[in-house]
Amino acid sequence: AQSVTQLGSHVSVSEGALVLLRCNYSSSVPPYLFWYVQYPNQGLQLLLKYTTGATLVKGINGFEAEFKKSETSFHLTKPSAHMSDAAEYFCAVSKAAGNKLTFGGGTRVLVKP
Amino acid sequence: DAGVTQSPTHLIKTRGQQVTLRCSPKSGHDTVSWYQQALGQGPQFIFQYYEEEERQRGNFPDRFSGHQFPNYSSELNVNALLLGDSALYLCASSLDGPSGPKTYEQFFGPGTRLTVL
Repeated sequence: AQSVTQLGSHVSVSEGALVLLRCNYSSSVPPYLFWYVQYPNQGLQLLLKYTTGATLVKGINGFEAEFKKSETSFHLTKPSAHMSDAAEYFCAVSKAAGNKLTFGGGTRVLVKP
Repeated sequence: DAGVTQSPTHLIKTRGQQVTLRCSPKSGHDTVSWYQQALGQGPQFIFQYYEEEERQRGNFPDRFSGHQFPNYSSELNVNALLLGDSALYLCASSLDGPSGPKTYEQFFGPGTRLTVL
């Protein structure tokens, strides 16, 4: 069975500071990994995904993530936080294209001016 | 190009009642998945429909059932509602059929907020 652990249910950053959200996964097969963002009272929007190939993945809104197989991690970063980045972020894993997603518990990001 | 749409937006029911939620997938997509997101938690997979058949199912009781129509739209039915069924229900679509390359990601709708009193 697959599982996802997101360290820190809440993260507070200052505007302009680095955003780092941690995600570790367990999977019996090479995983497909995703980061989704959820704004209040909305559905989930895909930020980026790792399927195969380059392990550093760039996404929308300046976010990127690096797949590290040896550490079973897929941490999300953004060099400079913006007020509009305040939202909840979910890491997810699946074992095949279009297969069910297993989500972590989410990390809520607060951006301070 | 319309994305994934869901109806209704909000719903209030009482314990023991039955509810039906609806989802229209993104144009060109043929696979629909349903997720339950309780307050403060990540989404949990309920089931997935492809070619009008349930293809995968998560750890949810038989009170949760679904259907997919020939136009790929889908319904989620929940019988004998419990207080614990209160959640945001998310529908997601993807492409898995022969008409094009498979999509790795799932595209989510805005969700239906179900409150059980």
